[in-house]
Amino acid sequence: DTGVSQDPRHKITKRGQNVTFRCDPISEHNRLYWYRQTLGQGPEFLTYFQNEAQLEKSRLLSDRFSAERPKGSFSTLEIQRTEQGDSAMYLCASTLGSGANVLTFGAGSRLTVL
Amino acid sequence: GNSVTQMEGPVTLSEEAFLTINCTYTATGYPSLFWYVQYPGEGLQLLLKATKADDKGSNKGFEATYRKETTSFHLEKGSVQVSDSAVYFCALRRETSGTYKYIFGTGTRLKVLA
Repeated sequence: DTGVSQDPRHKITKRGQNVTFRCDPISEHNRLYWYRQTLGQGPEFLTYFQNEAQLEKSRLLSDRFSAERPKGSFSTLEIQRTEQGDSAMYLCASTLGSGANVLTFGAGSRLTVL
Repeated sequence: GNSVTQMEGPVTLSEEAFLTINCTYTATGYPSLFWYVQYPGEGLQLLLKATKADDKGSNKGFEATYRKETTSFHLEKGSVQVSDSAVYFCALRRETSGTYKYIFGTGTRLKVLA
């Protein structure tokens, strides 16, 4: 068990470009979450998967954001036509769908939009 | 709606001082409550949790008691160390129709001076 892995760890892009982040959760975890964290703030919920089904999306998630978890394992978060306001740390977390579940976080993917 | 409110930081203490970080929540039903810690340059890690009223979570000398009557989950430690310097996040997990969402506070930065 290598924990939750996120890639890339850092991404610098120009405004208007598309970016994609990948998250590999802990292998037996069926629930996967994406959060965004800006400086001095707590993690802000973006979306949540149970297996391959996307069960909830934040109203903050504009139509430029899309997330997938095609086989119920890894997940991708794509941001199209990036804006400077998208600069943030994008966090992935996973958990097992039973009991008093604890989220296990990855180290995050930092996005800087120039 | 569901939310978590934490005391604003930064909190600066001398080594061996007593620590309290206040956390209150708003939620329907009986959410599970968590404290996460983020050390500099690292991802969020679970510190402790409580799943029902009057439960006390504890870990590494930190404690927090789930107080339903005051909707609070204050974090305490009797004697802080320099190594406790980090950002602390209070969080709740709410269930709605079989979906689970974790909501975080804005975080409280703790700085412990030698």
